[in-house]
Amino acid sequence: AQKVTQAQTEISVVEKEDVTLDCVYETRDTTYYLFWYKQPPSGELVFLIRRNSFDEQNEISGRYSWNFQKSTSSFNFTITASQVVDSAVYFCALSETHNAGNMLTFGGGTRLMVKP
Amino acid sequence: GAGVSQSPSNKVTEKGKDVELRCDPISGHTALYWYRQSLGQGLEFLIYFQGNSAPDKSGLPSDRFSAERTGGSVSTLTIQRTQQEDSAVYLCASSWLGDTQYFGPGTRLTVL
Repeated sequence: AQKVTQAQTEISVVEKEDVTLDCVYETRDTTYYLFWYKQPPSGELVFLIRRNSFDEQNEISGRYSWNFQKSTSSFNFTITASQVVDSAVYFCALSETHNAGNMLTFGGGTRLMVKP
Repeated sequence: GAGVSQSPSNKVTEKGKDVELRCDPISGHTALYWYRQSLGQGLEFLIYFQGNSAPDKSGLPSDRFSAERTGGSVSTLTIQRTQQEDSAVYLCASSWLGDTQYFGPGTRLTVL
């Protein structure tokens, strides 16, 4: 069965520090998708990135970057020069193409607190 | 364009009452999903629709939960005879099937 683990439940950093959020997944499928979502205090889940299992290229979007390594089943997320507005709960998720309409299996989330 | 909308945003009910939660997906999205977020269970999948059909209902926690979707658009999640353990945030998402899911703001349900 599929599983997503976010071992860090809470991280606290000071503004401008870099921070990496870890995500490890388990799947038997060869075709799958990985996601990161942000949940700010308002509660809405905001989509950040989607990666398919055949594309291991790292991706950078502004201060955000993602490192996908199939060899270690990890999909880590780094925020460079963190800002107070980055404070939120971040969820890593997995979808397998054979599962219930590509339903998402979420990790437990990592609460990031960025202090001024 | 407009995102996923859900109503009500908050619902407080008494144990044993029935509640209906509504989801309006992004226009044109064929797939619609319901998830539940609670302190003890995290984010868990409940059910999905492709068009008006729900091929797999095994994620629903009990037979008190049901859902329907009409016209390939609006969906309603109904919880009968609510229990305190049903208290959670119910999240709806929509997508083109197999594509990225976009979430609504959720309905916070409190069962007293």
